[in-house]
Amino acid sequence: AQKITQTQPGMFVQEKEAVTLDCTYDTSDPSYGLFWYKQPSSGEMIFLIYQGSYDQQNATEGRYSLNFQKARKSANLVISASQLGDSAMYFCAMRAGGTSYGKLTFGQGTILTVHP
Amino acid sequence: GAGVSQTPSNKVTEKGKYVELRCDPISGHTALYWYRQSLGQGPEFLIYFQGTGAADDSGLPNDRFFAVRPEGSVSTLKIQRTERGDSAVYLCASSPDRQSSRKTQYFGPGTRLLVL
Repeated sequence: AQKITQTQPGMFVQEKEAVTLDCTYDTSDPSYGLFWYKQPSSGEMIFLIYQGSYDQQNATEGRYSLNFQKARKSANLVISASQLGDSAMYFCAMRAGGTSYGKLTFGQGTILTVHP
Repeated sequence: GAGVSQTPSNKVTEKGKYVELRCDPISGHTALYWYRQSLGQGPEFLIYFQGTGAADDSGLPNDRFFAVRPEGSVSTLKIQRTERGDSAVYLCASSPDRQSSRKTQYFGPGTRLLVL
């Protein structure tokens, strides 16, 4: 079974500063993928970034980067230069196994609040 | 282009009633997923369609839940004899194909179901 753990129920950051959202995962499968999604108050899930278990480099997408530490089974999201619009719920998710499709297992989420 | 759309956006029903929730995936996307998100939780997988067939329905909680995708595009999630515990946001996601779904899924805005 796969499990995603997000231990920070809420995080606060000052505008323009960087923030790290924690995510640890558990799986016995050698092949898996890790995702981060943003969910604003409107409710829609917005895809941010993806990291494959065999990817050699940490994924980056604009202000988002994924700090992937395979041995520690962690996949933390780093948001640089926070903006007020970054205030939202953030979910870490995993697609595991040799399955040929993308069934996702999500964590509990972290609420990020960006202060001006 | 148009994203994933879901109708209705909100649905209020009485315990014991039947409801249908509709998902319109992005045009041409063959992979379609349903998830359920209870208040304060991450989404939980319900069912995956590849084309017209349900490739994985292991997340459906019981036989009151059923989903179809008869022409490989629009999908309908059907809930019989609704219970108060069915109250949640039902999210639909799509991906271009089975392989692409391993790296990203595009979510709709969800249907908020309230069972009184």
